[in-house]
Amino acid sequence: DGGITQSPKYLFRKEGQNVTLSCEQNLNHDAMYWYRQDPGQGLRLIYYSQIVNDFQKGDIAEGYSVSREKKESFPLTVTSAQKNPTAFYLCASSRVGIQPQHFGDGTRLSIL
Amino acid sequence: ILNVEQSPQSLHVQEGDSTNFTCSFPSSNFYALHWYRWETAKSPEALFVMTLNGDEKKKGRISATLNTKEGYSYLYIKGSQPEDSATYLCASSGNNNDMRFGAGTRLTVKP
Repeated sequence: DGGITQSPKYLFRKEGQNVTLSCEQNLNHDAMYWYRQDPGQGLRLIYYSQIVNDFQKGDIAEGYSVSREKKESFPLTVTSAQKNPTAFYLCASSRVGIQPQHFGDGTRLSIL
Repeated sequence: ILNVEQSPQSLHVQEGDSTNFTCSFPSSNFYALHWYRWETAKSPEALFVMTLNGDEKKKGRISATLNTKEGYSYLYIKGSQPEDSATYLCASSGNNNDMRFGAGTRLTVKP
């Protein structure tokens, strides 16, 4: 079945460590996105990519990095520079243009 | 309006009631308005994408309207059922499909 897979579902890391969240899609979508959710707030855009080897910052990119080496994959690294990384992270993909986005099941990151 | 805002924050209705919620968004540089349904323990599911002023979309008992000049969209649910219980999200997107979401309206439908 086509879809988006985020792994792991839960992730625990010590403060000061970088951590990478995986996002893979087999929908043949060109565009991929990363969002963060905090309690009581809407989803906020971290980074997005319209095509392989290209990506743009969203509204809260500081402390995060991404790569887009393959069409299917858009990993997100939460660096030690991110001051408050504990949150729920959602990955999405879509065709290019104004299109509905398909979401993964999310990764909940907790910093110990 | 600088951000996407949704009201009410939460809503409790009885099975069979019809209900509606509001999404307000910046009307300048508008490209598209998206509605999603997010059920607990699932991922957000796209309901509608609307781009033109006056657009109306319908999917079963759920419909949505769009007013781009004044910057608002309404989502209507006719004859609510318990399975409609979810958080309904709206988002305004730019021409890169980069979405800015509201905080959502949490709907609970009691049997």
